[in-house]
Amino acid sequence: QKEVEQNSGPLSVPEGAIASLNCTYSDRGSQSFFWYRQYSGKSPELIMFIYSNGDKEDGRFTAQLNKASQYVSLLIRDSQPSDSATYLCAVQGGKLIFGQGTELSVKP
Amino acid sequence: EAQVTQNPRYLITVTGKKLTVTCSQNMNHEYMSWYRQDPGLGLRQIYYSMNVEVTDKGDVPEGYKVSRKEKRNFPLILESPSPNQTSLYFCASSLQGAETQYFGPGTRLLVL
Repeated sequence: QKEVEQNSGPLSVPEGAIASLNCTYSDRGSQSFFWYRQYSGKSPELIMFIYSNGDKEDGRFTAQLNKASQYVSLLIRDSQPSDSATYLCAVQGGKLIFGQGTELSVKP
Repeated sequence: EAQVTQNPRYLITVTGKKLTVTCSQNMNHEYMSWYRQDPGLGLRQIYYSMNVEVTDKGDVPEGYKVSRKEKRNFPLILESPSPNQTSLYFCASSLQGAETQYFGPGTRLLVL
């Protein structure tokens, strides 16, 4: 089992829809959870982080954490074509582990 | 402008020819790290440094060396590059620990 697992996609959603990106992790001791966005040919950039169970909202983005079920998700409301990118989940326990990333395509 | 810089951005070399990829940050960050990114394998950490003169292995350290003599610089050294080190390399830094990292623009390396 991979330590941090994401569906590679591509996930395709129409413009204006909600995009839901999921990530599961194996280390129950993990304490910090991050979502990075990576445009094609560019470097990753942090868009959200969450430490506590529940939801954290920032504009159109909502991160959801469920430690009991060991998953973290990212919701993007009112998806825009500019949101088309690969989204990387990163989980920190003893070390920071990245998932493979989910490619999101938002169709106009 | 706060940033992480890497040089060179692109490099083609041959097996066995020593090379260094430089990384520098101007944010006075304590934590710096090197990653490689390969299709299907995601970002994997090579080495990291919690502060000056403190470095430690990540998940894939074999074939790489690093040093941290100054807070702002964290070069990645490939003493004898091999084709399996062909990859996209990212340097990153953060204020403390591995959280909220800022990534450099990446160095694309091809080893023939």
